[in-house]
Amino acid sequence: ETGVTQTPRHLVMGMTNKKSLKCEQHLGHNAMYWYKQSAKKPLELMFVYNFKEQTENNSVPSRFSPECPNSSHLFLHLHTLQPEDSALYLCASRPTGGHEQYFGPGTRLTVT
Amino acid sequence: EDQVTQSPEALRLQEGESSSLNCSYTVSGLRGLFWYRQDPGKGPEFLFTLYSAGEEKEKERLKATLTKKESFLHITAPKPEDSATYLCAVQANGQNFVFGPGTRLSVLP
Repeated sequence: ETGVTQTPRHLVMGMTNKKSLKCEQHLGHNAMYWYKQSAKKPLELMFVYNFKEQTENNSVPSRFSPECPNSSHLFLHLHTLQPEDSALYLCASRPTGGHEQYFGPGTRLTVT
Repeated sequence: EDQVTQSPEALRLQEGESSSLNCSYTVSGLRGLFWYRQDPGKGPEFLFTLYSAGEEKEKERLKATLTKKESFLHITAPKPEDSATYLCAVQANGQNFVFGPGTRLSVLP
């Protein structure tokens, strides 16, 4: 248990659906990240938030929309996804001044 | 562009057979190099951070070392429970993290 939780753990959605992924960290960290992990590929950084402000958008398509209402919660809103968006979506947090990241268990997303 | 490569892609060892995993990197100003372990269906678990060439860190059967161009994760007398994918990542001056593709380790009893 890393102190970072993600819900749901599994999600199947159609291309016309709208859904949201949730991440919560209980570690008091101020930086939070969304990553995409596809089979046979390295983790791809999607978004970074520091103190609730988005500091990085790694050229992610607009069908992915992040939201960070406070330093403990991070959401990823999904709409009109494509089958190639099927992947494991990982949330991570990092303490201020620290360098190591703590990951949640991920949400396995399947787009049909 | 910051890049991280790992080799081998997959490694099968007999229990007790020591070996090393490689992580090679090219970055503009290394702030830190990180090793993570990832089990199937789970998120990566932090293992080590290395900051400068010559630095070494140890944890149980694992030892990580760092040079100016690469890092090694040495596994001494591995056990089946060491089977996992080992990920290497770097943090450069841009501050974001770049991950390698990982090495999938299988330790057979």
